[in-house]
Amino acid sequence: DQQVKQNSPSLSVQEGRISILNCDYTNSMFDYFLWYKKYPAEGPTFLISISSIKDKNEDGRFTVFLNKSAKHLSLHIVPSQPGDSAVYFCAASRRDTGNQFYFGTGTSLTVIP
Amino acid sequence: SQTIHQWPATLVQPVGSPLSLECTVEGTSNPNLYWYRQAAGRGLQLLFYSVGIGQISSEVPQNLSASRPQDRQFILSSKKLLLSDSGFYLCAWSRPPFSGRAYEQYFGPGTRLTVT
Repeated sequence: DQQVKQNSPSLSVQEGRISILNCDYTNSMFDYFLWYKKYPAEGPTFLISISSIKDKNEDGRFTVFLNKSAKHLSLHIVPSQPGDSAVYFCAASRRDTGNQFYFGTGTSLTVIP
Repeated sequence: SQTIHQWPATLVQPVGSPLSLECTVEGTSNPNLYWYRQAAGRGLQLLFYSVGIGQISSEVPQNLSASRPQDRQFILSSKKLLLSDSGFYLCAWSRPPFSGRAYEQYFGPGTRLTVT
């Protein structure tokens, strides 16, 4: 049972434009959400997180939006750069029971120069 | 700062052979530890996690096992590998939730396992 879903396996964006990556979850008890970036043959790198008490968190070019009622979060990258080309995973956790992170299947982002 | 190590980086093993992958974390104590597998073209599948020495939770029934002999050491093992065990294995650590510090997972560089 996939509790975290990324329905777009791939996305292509022109350099300098906005990249929007989407993620949906089914468990309303999740209260902490994260985005990771992964290059081939490397471990994922943490990008940004958000707790359920917020609806937006920003770090430089990266902004994560959380819509709890829709059980949806998105990652915005502005402006997109060729070095952003990678696979992006969203993840969710329920901190009261804790200790597990549930990952989506990833979206491969290609930023075209 | 914290560092996570995994070895070996790549491994080619015949079907039926044993497996031992090791992960160690430096710079933190009492971490939660995790083993994931990423099969080709797939997402991250949680295999095992541990909240303390000797405490292992298994997420997926399979011919793999995990052990945590020391606070910052996590080992993934198999007695007899299957072809389906091929994949990219990732170790990760996190602080416990509500520890008062950042609650994210940090991943090691991974091990590419090919079972032939």
